[in-house]
Amino acid sequence: ETGVTQTPRHLVMGMTNKKSLKCEQHLGHNAMYWYKQSAKKPLELMFVYNFKEQTENNSVPSRFSPECPNSSHLFLHLHTLQPEDSALYLCASSQVQGLAGGGEQFFGPGTRLTVL
Amino acid sequence: QKEVEQDPGPLSVPEGAIVSLNCTYSNSAFQYFMWYRQYSRKGPELLMYTYSSGNKEDGRFTAQVDKSSKYISLFIRDSQPSDSATYLCAMSARWETSGSRLTFGEGTQLTVNP
Repeated sequence: ETGVTQTPRHLVMGMTNKKSLKCEQHLGHNAMYWYKQSAKKPLELMFVYNFKEQTENNSVPSRFSPECPNSSHLFLHLHTLQPEDSALYLCASSQVQGLAGGGEQFFGPGTRLTVL
Repeated sequence: QKEVEQDPGPLSVPEGAIVSLNCTYSNSAFQYFMWYRQYSRKGPELLMYTYSSGNKEDGRFTAQVDKSSKYISLFIRDSQPSDSATYLCAMSARWETSGSRLTFGEGTQLTVNP
């Protein structure tokens, strides 16, 4: 496996279900991100993890719960979602280098989530 | 007002045309600028990255940044049907030690017709 992988690629769930999205990066990066991409809207940053520590929660509802057990893996646990949460959920990673430059983010293919 | 404005298109051009994609922004602190390409049903792929003002060329692609006008552009020469995708501009004020903070445009949907 290379780059950033995400599973599952597609997910359909009811409003009462609990599911998890998985992301794995094979780039040796130390920062990982969750984004939400909805039609006709810019990518919305949800969470940022740096060296497994959450450094940003962008006012995301508590029905989304992230988990980062190590620098290579990132999960997004979902429960009691709403239909408006249907979107493409993207994971990204980057190499934090302080202020010396770099930090470009590399994205996975995304999980297309449909909430019924 | 959005921090980053990008015309969503759609933009349709014939094969071989020169394509110009643009973004404007309001935050004068932005100094890192990126263009991502996103094919249908795929994640965004980093295409070009520039720091501060100036031009950067990579094959058929040229990125331009004009910080005085708060305006960035991506030019695609000799466009090909395989260039058909959504192009996202992204920018950042600085690379945070806790992870980069990118602000994205809405994306421009481009179709290159054979």
